[in-house]
Amino acid sequence: DAGVTQSPTHLIKTRGQQVTLRCSPKSGHDTVSWYQQALGQGPQFIFQYYEEEERQRGNFPDRFSGHQYPNYSSELNVNALLLGDSALYLCASSSSNRANQPQHFGDGTRLSIL
Amino acid sequence: QKEVEQNSGPLSVPEGAIASLNCTYSDRVSQSFFWYRQYSGKSPELIMSIYSNGDKEDGRFTAQLNKASQYVSLLIRDSQPSDSATYLCAVGVYGGATNKLIFGTGTLLAVQP
Repeated sequence: DAGVTQSPTHLIKTRGQQVTLRCSPKSGHDTVSWYQQALGQGPQFIFQYYEEEERQRGNFPDRFSGHQYPNYSSELNVNALLLGDSALYLCASSSSNRANQPQHFGDGTRLSIL
Repeated sequence: QKEVEQNSGPLSVPEGAIASLNCTYSDRVSQSFFWYRQYSGKSPELIMSIYSNGDKEDGRFTAQLNKASQYVSLLIRDSQPSDSATYLCAVGVYGGATNKLIFGTGTLLAVQP
């Protein structure tokens, strides 16, 4: 049973560029959440997707956007990259049928902005 | 006030000792509490979840929850060098369309051989 998978593992971009990160949820999960973890910090909630719509959003600018596909996989897009966007981006999946259950994370994508 | 607070450490304990990690949270309606372990350069790994007051034991790990004091702790018995990692406390926020985790900054644990 595959867990949460993310791609790519690492990415290097320059300021002003755009990036797309991808996530496939664990089998049986229909909800995908994205988190940003800066060095030395805990993960910060970006947004969550359910039924192909953004259900809730953390304190992140509109440069951060996402998408969820009918197979529940998801993308995180970041436009006009800034140096401060350098971080580990984590995807977590969960099931809408099971409230209060823990979220399980993928291995993450490490994004470096030069 | 931060929503979830942890001492950043490092917490240094000798091999075989008990490591005690603490976490406080500000939202009184929180119902779910989690401890994640994160090795350097890796993603967080769930090690314990707790939902009601009291203790929950799983192997060498014991999670303790006191909702009245808004306090969660993790005890690691017989600490091993392989336990050296950052331990993240997370609080689940649920309700309506809300389903997210709020994390502390993590406590770095160093187990000395």
